[in-house]
Amino acid sequence: EIVMTQSPASLSVSPGERATLSCRASQSVSSNLAWYQQKPGQAPRLLIYGASTRATGIPARFSGSGSGTEFTLTISSLQSEDFAVYYCQQYHNWPPTYTFGQGTKLEIK
Amino acid sequence: QLQLQESGPGLVKPSETLSLTCTVSGGSITNSDNYWGWIRQPPGKGLEWIGNIFYNGSTYYSPSLKSRVTISVNTSKNHFSLRLTSVTAADTAVFYCARLHSSGWAYFDYWGQGTLVTVSS
Repeated sequence: EIVMTQSPASLSVSPGERATLSCRASQSVSSNLAWYQQKPGQAPRLLIYGASTRATGIPARFSGSGSGTEFTLTISSLQSEDFAVYYCQQYHNWPPTYTFGQGTKLEIK
Repeated sequence: QLQLQESGPGLVKPSETLSLTCTVSGGSITNSDNYWGWIRQPPGKGLEWIGNIFYNGSTYYSPSLKSRVTISVNTSKNHFSLRLTSVTAADTAVFYCARLHSSGWAYFDYWGQGTLVTVSS
């Protein structure tokens, strides 16, 4: 089973600064990687799919990169509404599995 | 706008079966580009994929839960359901249903609001 490891577990960043979140897969998932944002009491929200494609309505300050086993989510200039928990999720095609990372909590510094 | 809504008991006794239904509105569950999935989140913890179903009944389950999980679909009611047997306190979680976009890249793009299920006597 593919294991997704996110780092760091938590990150403190000031508004307006850049945040870089990492996600590592235990084996290659090609570009089958998505990122989600979750705020307290809410369902996760899709941000990025295919490792680098922004979902509909997602601001350009969110960008994803990577392939294989190493992935990065970058938020270029943090806004107050961006402080949340972020999860990566992989898709492995056979057998089909959809593993999530343990999350990175992005906090206001 | 597609919407998903979970429903079912909020309290289940240990060793019993948890049953939830996800009703889809604003779109058809028979769309061939999509699977339909269940994801859970224990309080204060991360997300765990449970399984997916296609409208024709084809299913995929998490290996860690496969022995206890059944997902079914009712296309006439535009809903799909989750059964989790022999529950323990460790199964206490918010359960989400979601649409899995599966044509090309695979990702969960629409989510229900989630429903908390507590396992307790």
